[in-house]
Amino acid sequence: KNQVEQSPQSLIILEGKNCTLQCNYTVSPFSNLRWYKQDTGRGPVSLTIMTFSENTKSNGRYTATLDADTKQSSLHITASQLSDSASYICVVSAIAAGNKLTFGGGTRVLVKP
Amino acid sequence: GAVVSQHPSWVICKSGTSVKIECRSLDFQATTMFWYRQFPKQSLMLMATSNEGSKATYEQGVEKDKFLINHASLTLSTLTVTSAHPEDSSFYICSATSGRAFNEQFFGPGTRLTVL
Repeated sequence: KNQVEQSPQSLIILEGKNCTLQCNYTVSPFSNLRWYKQDTGRGPVSLTIMTFSENTKSNGRYTATLDADTKQSSLHITASQLSDSASYICVVSAIAAGNKLTFGGGTRVLVKP
Repeated sequence: GAVVSQHPSWVICKSGTSVKIECRSLDFQATTMFWYRQFPKQSLMLMATSNEGSKATYEQGVEKDKFLINHASLTLSTLTVTSAHPEDSSFYICSATSGRAFNEQFFGPGTRLTVL
């Protein structure tokens, strides 16, 4: 069964600090992995998308890594800002899955001043 | 580019009434659109997949007669919640894909439905 597990479920960090979110998946055959940011009451917004041949991708202060061998990904947030408070969702797509995505449960990040 | 809109952004209705939610791809043609629902503090759950001009494919456990989906054009899909009940209260999100570049799905801003 295709699954995506994220950890931690939630975390609180101080403004300006860094943090790393984890994602483990069992989706097969793997096509790509995406990280989304979802503000409360809004739809998800794409941060990064990586195929199996990519092991790192950055989008501003967000850097995602991918280890296709261990089926793990991480999202690193550098110099956090109050606007980074949101849920971060790891989503994995399988080849020939009819475009269906497997969603992780998300990590809720709260940045405090 | 790749903007998806939803209307309305929130709706409150009485139990037993029907509610229609629109999803539009504003700057691209969407070969496929998806409808999700999301409960508080949970991730998105796929309800159905719709392709323009054909019947939607519903996920297991989703009642097709209760959640009517119409994908009339390459830029518009509608979800109608029929005979809504309080347990249908949720956040409904659509997404659309053009079929290019990883089949990336672009998500709408969501519609908050509250059934009294």
